[in-house]
Amino acid sequence: QITLKESGPTLVKPTQTLTLTCTFSGFSLSTSGVGVGWIRQPPGKALEWLALIYWDDDKRYSPSLKSRLTITKDTSKNQVVLTMTNMDPVDTATYYCAHRRLVAGTCFDYWGQGTLVTVSS
Amino acid sequence: DIQMTQSPSSLSASVGDRVTITCRASQGISNSLAWYQQKPGKAPKLLLYAASRLESGVPSRFSGSGSGTDYTLTISSLQPEDFATYYCQQYYSTSITFGPGTKVDIK
Repeated sequence: QITLKESGPTLVKPTQTLTLTCTFSGFSLSTSGVGVGWIRQPPGKALEWLALIYWDDDKRYSPSLKSRLTITKDTSKNQVVLTMTNMDPVDTATYYCAHRRLVAGTCFDYWGQGTLVTVSS
Repeated sequence: DIQMTQSPSSLSASVGDRVTITCRASQGISNSLAWYQQKPGKAPKLLLYAASRLESGVPSRFSGSGSGTDYTLTISSLQPEDFATYYCQQYYSTSITFGPGTKVDIK
C-alpha cells in the first residue's frame, strides 16, 4: 500500500527558502520507472506541477520556476525533498507530493494529503 | 509549455445527468492525458490516464475519449459523490501542465 506525506513549515517569510520533505512508503525510489513529483495549489486555484525526480536521479522542473527549485531524493530514508528559494506571498499554496504512475506516462496515482504553506511577513 | 484549457469552467447538474467536460491542448498530445477528481480539502484522485484508460477502482460511469488536441471526460449518470472539481493533465511534454479545472455542482 502506497502512502506519501508532506512535511515542512506552515509559515515562511518573503525571500526565505522553503524546504519540504515527502516521506513515502510502499515503494522504493531505487526501482526502475519510479518517480515522485511535487504539485502545488494556491487557495481556490488550479493545480501546478513543480518538479519530478526519477529512480535514476533524472530531474525535471517547471520551466517557469526552474531557477528557484531543487529536488533531491534519499532512497535509504524513502524521502524526496523540494527546496524553493526566494519565497513570495504568491507562493502561498497547498503543496502535494505524488507517486508517478508506473506505465503509461507521467500522471500521479497516489498523492499525499498536502501541506499548506503560507508566505507572509 | 503546452497550455491546457477546459470547458466549461463550471456546470450545474442533477443526479442522474450525463455530464461532459472538454479539455483542449495547445498542441497535439497523442492521448497523453489524465483526468483527476478533487473534492474540497482533499488531494486529487486519478480517474483516467492515456485519455481513456480507467484507473483501478474508478466506477465505470467515468469514461474518456479524444485525440490530437481535444479530449472529453464523460460521467454517464452523475452520482452524489461526483460533485467535485475535475482537472485534466497532459504528460506528452516533459513539462507537465494541468487544465484550470471544471467545477461540477448540484443544480
